[in-house]
Amino acid sequence: DSGVTQTPKHLITATGQRVTLRCSPRSGDLSVYWYQQSLDQGLQFLIQYYNGEERAKGNILERFSAQQFPDLHSELNLSSLELGDSALYFCASSVGLAGEGEQFFGPGTRLTVL
Amino acid sequence: GENVEQHPSTLSVQEGDSAVIKCTYSDSASNYFPWYKQELGKRPQLIIDIRSNVGEKKDQRIAVTLNKTAKHFSLHITETQPEDSAVYFCAARRIDNYGQNFVFGPGTRLSVLP
Repeated sequence: DSGVTQTPKHLITATGQRVTLRCSPRSGDLSVYWYQQSLDQGLQFLIQYYNGEERAKGNILERFSAQQFPDLHSELNLSSLELGDSALYFCASSVGLAGEGEQFFGPGTRLTVL
Repeated sequence: GENVEQHPSTLSVQEGDSAVIKCTYSDSASNYFPWYKQELGKRPQLIIDIRSNVGEKKDQRIAVTLNKTAKHFSLHITETQPEDSAVYFCAARRIDNYGQNFVFGPGTRLSVLP
């Protein structure tokens, strides 16, 4: 157990809908990262937050948005869902902004868009 | 931006043999290179990492080497065991003024045959 929690574990929804994925980082970690992993694909970095502020952006679609709250948990919002958005979404956390390299991954949320 | 290539995409070895996975990166500003192991349906887990000021690092049966000049790094697993079977991802991290950006390779599916 990495100490990073993600809810829900599974999510099934229809095209055009909107969902919210939630992540709680390890105690003391200030950075949160979101990744998308499609079937048999690598990890695509979406976005990073540090202490409530957006810090780095990867291949995140405009239909997707995220935020980190004062208690440091983070939410990833996916809207106007398409079939191709079906994937495993991982959240990871690390202590610092840049000095601490290791990321700890959560168990992931499996999103299925029908 | 950073681009990480990883080879081979699949690798089968006999139990007890060694396995080598190679990655190349493009951004000379990348300074931290972790390797993750991901078992089917599970979260990626860090198995070893190396920073740019180090050429080699070893942890029991696992070692990583880094050639900064050539911009490549490799994972070496000796005396492979069936439980080493998984997908392995390399990554390169670059730090900029805003945060740290991880770029992952596409992964190598390692099968250790008993």
